[in-house]
Amino acid sequence: QVQLQESGPGLVKPSQTLSLACAVSGDSISTNTVGWSWIRQSPSRGLEWLGRTYYRSKWYADYAVSVESRVTFNPDTSRNQISLQLDSVTPEDTALYYCARETLTGNWDFFDSWGQGTLVTVSS
Amino acid sequence: DIRLTQSPSSLSASVGDRVIITCRASQTMTTYLNWYQQKPGKAPKLLIYGISTLQRGVPARFSGSGSGTEFALTISGLQPDDFATYYCQQSYSTPFTFGPGTKLETK
Repeated sequence: QVQLQESGPGLVKPSQTLSLACAVSGDSISTNTVGWSWIRQSPSRGLEWLGRTYYRSKWYADYAVSVESRVTFNPDTSRNQISLQLDSVTPEDTALYYCARETLTGNWDFFDSWGQGTLVTVSS
Repeated sequence: DIRLTQSPSSLSASVGDRVIITCRASQTMTTYLNWYQQKPGKAPKLLIYGISTLQRGVPARFSGSGSGTEFALTISGLQPDDFATYYCQQSYSTPFTFGPGTKLETK
């Protein structure tokens, strides 16, 4: 059974860089039928997909336009984890951050496994 | 971006009731519409994918339907464990988007 575990600092100062990690067990991040997304949730923005990374002979990434100038996902196959780096954070980046596995099969595409989430607050 | 709207935004119901939550998309999405359940302090949980396919382990009282731009989640015979917030989500095109949620509360 796949499990995802987010980790990272709970508090980040404005203008700094947020770094989170998503450790995956029970599946390889290099599996070619899945993708790995970061999704955040806040009262003001609801559930917001930030982007995904996936392996199809090489690594690819898609980012949401709202964050694409500031965000980078890095897969670490030696640790079987995906990291998120979000630059120049503002209080609007305060949210609960989830990583989730996206399974693609036939005509279906869905998030079937989620981490428990990690709360990030941006404040001085 | 595909925008998803849900109705109602909140719903009061009793154990045993049949409830329907609707999700409307700003454009046609074929089969790439999914439903999730979220309880306080927990991550969303996949209930239904591909409009109507029940995820393993999800009770058969949950069902999904619809096509084009109009979709529905039906819970037939509400159980105490079902009071939660429900979200639709589209995987038809990036950026993947979620509906604003429907909070199902006990009457």
